[in-house]
Amino acid sequence: AIRMTQSPSSFSASTGDRVTITCRASQGISNYLAWYQQKPGKAPRLLIYGASTLQDGVPSRFSGGGSGTDFTLTISWLQSEDFATYYCQQYYGYPYTFGPGTKLEIK
Amino acid sequence: QLLESGGGLVQPGGSLRLSCVGSGFTFNEYALNWVRQAPGKGLEWVSGITGLDNTYYADSVKGRITVSRDNSKNTVYLQLNSLRAEDTAVYYCAKDRYCSTNTCPMDHWGQGTLVTVSS
Repeated sequence: AIRMTQSPSSFSASTGDRVTITCRASQGISNYLAWYQQKPGKAPRLLIYGASTLQDGVPSRFSGGGSGTDFTLTISWLQSEDFATYYCQQYYGYPYTFGPGTKLEIK
Repeated sequence: QLLESGGGLVQPGGSLRLSCVGSGFTFNEYALNWVRQAPGKGLEWVSGITGLDNTYYADSVKGRITVSRDNSKNTVYLQLNSLRAEDTAVYYCAKDRYCSTNTCPMDHWGQGTLVTVSS
């Protein structure tokens, strides 16, 4: 199975900050990479797919990049509602696998 | 659009069948997945079934679970057998997004159903 890693595992930031989370795949996955946001007690929400395509309804302050094995999720102007845990996921092939998550906390 | 049911408390070694009913989309055209989350832990993809009934499983559960679907009932099932304490988790049903490739991200999720394995 393809192993996904993320860094950092947790991060403290302030509203208005720009933050970047990185995700790495253990083998090349082209652009078959999705990012999800999850808040406590809620189901995950798809933010980005195809490494850089914004899902409908997702604010444009979210952006994704990368291809192959290295990917990024950037939030350009943190809002209070963005404090959550973020997961990357590869769908290059089964079994799908998720990264361990990055918890974004308020400083 | 996705509503899971069937979770509960089960003893180690026991079995449980989870259900997920979909609405608001053409059910038989989409792959459905099961993703679980142990308390305080991250997301783990468990199983998927395509619109053509191809099935896939995570190595951690292979041989102990079976995914199936009944398109006439807009329902996907996850049969869990030989349950262990480490199977304790919220189990989410998630639908593949429409895309042009064979594998797709998951764009709609249910609210989850809790499975607790304990004596």
